[in-house]
Amino acid sequence: DAGVTQSPTHLIKTRGQQVTLRCSPISGHKSVSWYQQVLGQGPQFIFQYYEKEERGRGNFPDRFSARQFPNYSSELNVNALLLGDSALYLCASSLVGASDEKLFFGSGTQLSVL
Amino acid sequence: GNSVTQMEGPVTLSEEAFLTINCTYTATGYPSLFWYVQYPGEGLQLLLKATKADDKGSNKGFEATYRKETTSFHLEKGSVQVSDSAVYFCALSPNRDDKIIFGKGTRLHILP
Repeated sequence: DAGVTQSPTHLIKTRGQQVTLRCSPISGHKSVSWYQQVLGQGPQFIFQYYEKEERGRGNFPDRFSARQFPNYSSELNVNALLLGDSALYLCASSLVGASDEKLFFGSGTQLSVL
Repeated sequence: GNSVTQMEGPVTLSEEAFLTINCTYTATGYPSLFWYVQYPGEGLQLLLKATKADDKGSNKGFEATYRKETTSFHLEKGSVQVSDSAVYFCALSPNRDDKIIFGKGTRLHILP
């Protein structure tokens, strides 16, 4: 079975541009979460979606947005990119997004903002 | 607020040494506690978890006990191997909440 897949694996953008990152969860998983991992730090929660509805949002500006599609895949959009947005963006899926549920992570999209 | 503090690395040990990576947390209510591991070139994966006080999570020879009285969830292994070299993250999920809060991670190097 395929794990969580993310695309692209690497991305280079310039300040002010917009970016869209994509995630396909494990088959049967209905919850998708997005995390930002800055080099040398732990992942920070951005969003969680379950059944196409936003269930939670972390402390990120409105430049960050996301959505989940009927097939449970998800996109993360970041507008007006800043240098500080350079990070590894991780997508994780789980069956129903319960608080004690195991998360399955993708390998991430490495975003570099120049 | 909710937070996780874990010992800073890198931690360097010889093969077959005893490992402890300290983790303490601050949370309201009764969070679930996790250790995730990130092997070189791989994605984050769950190592073990505990969902209530005094629970012990274990996997691959690693153990951690949920200690509510000391708000700790220290990771231990009796005899480490070179293949255990990775970054280890302590994490919590607040009760009735869905996000996971991660510590900063501890890089572990095991020398042959």
